[in-house]
Amino acid sequence: GENVEQHPSTLSVQEGDSAVIKCTYSDSASNYFPWYKQELGKGPQLIIDIRSNVGEKKDQRIAVTLNKTAKHFSLHITETQPEDSAVYFCAASISGNQFYFGTGTSLTVIP
Amino acid sequence: DTGVSQNPRHKITKRGQNVTFRCDPISEHNRLYWYRQTLGQGPEFLTYFQNEAQLEKSRLLSDRFSAERPKGSFSTLEIQRTEQGDSAMYLCASSLAAPAGELFFGEGSRLTVL
Repeated sequence: GENVEQHPSTLSVQEGDSAVIKCTYSDSASNYFPWYKQELGKGPQLIIDIRSNVGEKKDQRIAVTLNKTAKHFSLHITETQPEDSAVYFCAASISGNQFYFGTGTSLTVIP
Repeated sequence: DTGVSQNPRHKITKRGQNVTFRCDPISEHNRLYWYRQTLGQGPEFLTYFQNEAQLEKSRLLSDRFSAERPKGSFSTLEIQRTEQGDSAMYLCASSLAAPAGELFFGEGSRLTVL
């Protein structure tokens, strides 16, 4: 089955700096790659996603890049704010069937 | 609120007891997923339904676990003869079947087995 690896497991940045989280996947059939933000005591919430026919997608301060050849995708958060502090998960899916999640990155934005 | 609803939010039980969790998905969503999440880990796939049909089950889902979605609406996840290793957050999510759509997660049901 699919194996998704995520790095780093923890990340601390100063407010205003950028944060980058990287994931790799193993199954070349995966074609949908969402990113989720999870705050303490809550379920994960989708923040951005990308499909395999696109190399990059941006939504305000958040962007995701996908390299299908290398089987890796990354989340970029610019101008970080304290409210960005949370655990972020990447995931890979084949057409929305099973979703396989990474192990998470705990992001702390220091004011 | 028309999001995914899970009940109960917290359950403490003794080893060997049976527990059941309920998930009410977003009404127009035909796919429903169950995940398990332990501290410091990502959600781990357990099973998913499309309408009332259970399409896939993880190898992790032992015989003690059973899930149903009898009318294609709400779903239940039952764990029989609970073990301490079953302690986790059980997350339910729903989505539209196609194209691959956003998973909307509930707040989860936290199980503690003493």
